Amino acid sequence: DAGITQSPRHKVTETGTPVTLRCHQTENHRYMYWYRQDPGHGLRLIHYSYGVKDTDKGEVSDGYSVSRSKTEDFLLTLESATSSQTSVYFCAINRDPGHQPQHFGDGTRLSIL
Amino acid sequence: GENVEQHPSTLSVQEGDSAVIKCTYSDSASNYFPWYKQELGKRPQLIIDIRSNVGEKKDQRIAVTLNKTAKHFSLHITETQPEDSAVYFCAASRVNRDDKIIFGKGTRLHILP
Repeated sequence: DAGITQSPRHKVTETGTPVTLRCHQTENHRYMYWYRQDPGHGLRLIHYSYGVKDTDKGEVSDGYSVSRSKTEDFLLTLESATSSQTSVYFCAINRDPGHQPQHFGDGTRLSIL
Repeated sequence: GENVEQHPSTLSVQEGDSAVIKCTYSDSASNYFPWYKQELGKRPQLIIDIRSNVGEKKDQRIAVTLNKTAKHFSLHITETQPEDSAVYFCAASRVNRDDKIIFGKGTRLHILP
């Protein structure tokens, strides 16, 4: 399995609180991604990174921010969590998106009450 | 940008029969097509991939076919077994032009006893 660790694996928090999810990789891959997965919507890209300090928005980026200060870590922050952000969040990494598959972490189940 | 359509959204087949999942893509420059399987509560995992210079690829009971002219590709599972029950995602990307892989919305496959 690809060396990807997501933390925490589960979190329950209240509306309005800030939340940060962490993705840590040991593969030294350039590309890292955050997805959310909800019933009926498949995998939706939130943000991604193509290098240290280089990030871009995905299709559902509103309400989320990211940071990548080191190759191995990609952080996803919900500045003020809302109930609509209750979801399962997956991190993924890729060495070369045009030639290689993505590898996913085990996911974080986030509940906003 | 690229768009990937996946059909059907749900598929039920009798154990031992074959299952076929179809995807179409919009960008003729796409040239890498991975397929992922996601079991309940688990992360998506790559099961097979194909590149545009190949029309078909097989791995035991799983095969993928690609029709570049029609811009569609399909996953074929033969002699289905209970452990094939899962959600399957197709995806597409373009070498040297994309930083991300575009996913279809998934097909939930049920294997009936």
